[in-house]
Amino acid sequence: GQSLEQPSEVTAVEGAIVQINCTYQTSGFYGLSWYQQHDGGAPTFLSYNALDGLEETGRFSSFLSRSDSYGYLLLQELQMKDSASYFCAVRSGYSGAGSYQLTFGKGTKLSVIP
Amino acid sequence: EAGVVQSPRYKIIEKKQPVAFWCNPISGHNTLYWYRQNLGQGPELLIRYENEEAVDDSQLPKDRFSAERLKGVDSTLKIQPAELGDSAVYLCASSPTPGGPEQFFGPGTRLTVL
Repeated sequence: GQSLEQPSEVTAVEGAIVQINCTYQTSGFYGLSWYQQHDGGAPTFLSYNALDGLEETGRFSSFLSRSDSYGYLLLQELQMKDSASYFCAVRSGYSGAGSYQLTFGKGTKLSVIP
Repeated sequence: EAGVVQSPRYKIIEKKQPVAFWCNPISGHNTLYWYRQNLGQGPELLIRYENEEAVDDSQLPKDRFSAERLKGVDSTLKIQPAELGDSAVYLCASSPTPGGPEQFFGPGTRLTVL
């Protein structure tokens, strides 16, 4: 089976930096995706890491350590609009079968306060 | 580019009644997914289509759920009969590559079973 662990809630101050961690256990691991979902909205793709290291996209960065089965999403210069739920999702499968799937964590609810 | 379209946005039904959800994916996206998202949880895959073929329906409760994707474009998910535990948001997503890390989600249908 597959399992993902991420904190259920995080609160941070506007303008600050926050890190949301994700640990996973899976077979056939290919990479780790991050999605953002505002209340009542659709999940939207933020980033994907297939290799170890840091990927930066504007104010958001994502990190992966395959040996530690661990990743995180880093949000800098927090804005009120960043208040949302953030999901890590493991991409797994077998290249021989040409089939991959995303398994989502339970999400971390980020509250940004003034 | 138009996003993933779903209808209806909200549906309230009595238990044991049937219900259907419709999804039109992004043009050119051959892969279509149906997810169920319970409150405070991440999306859980119900079924994945490659064109008109259901390639992963292992998580679909086949006694009451059915899905179709005629002509490999839009798709319908049906529940008959609905149970109280089916109350959730049903999300449709599409991706340009099979099992790709970036999936594009629709706004979802919020189902309430009374």
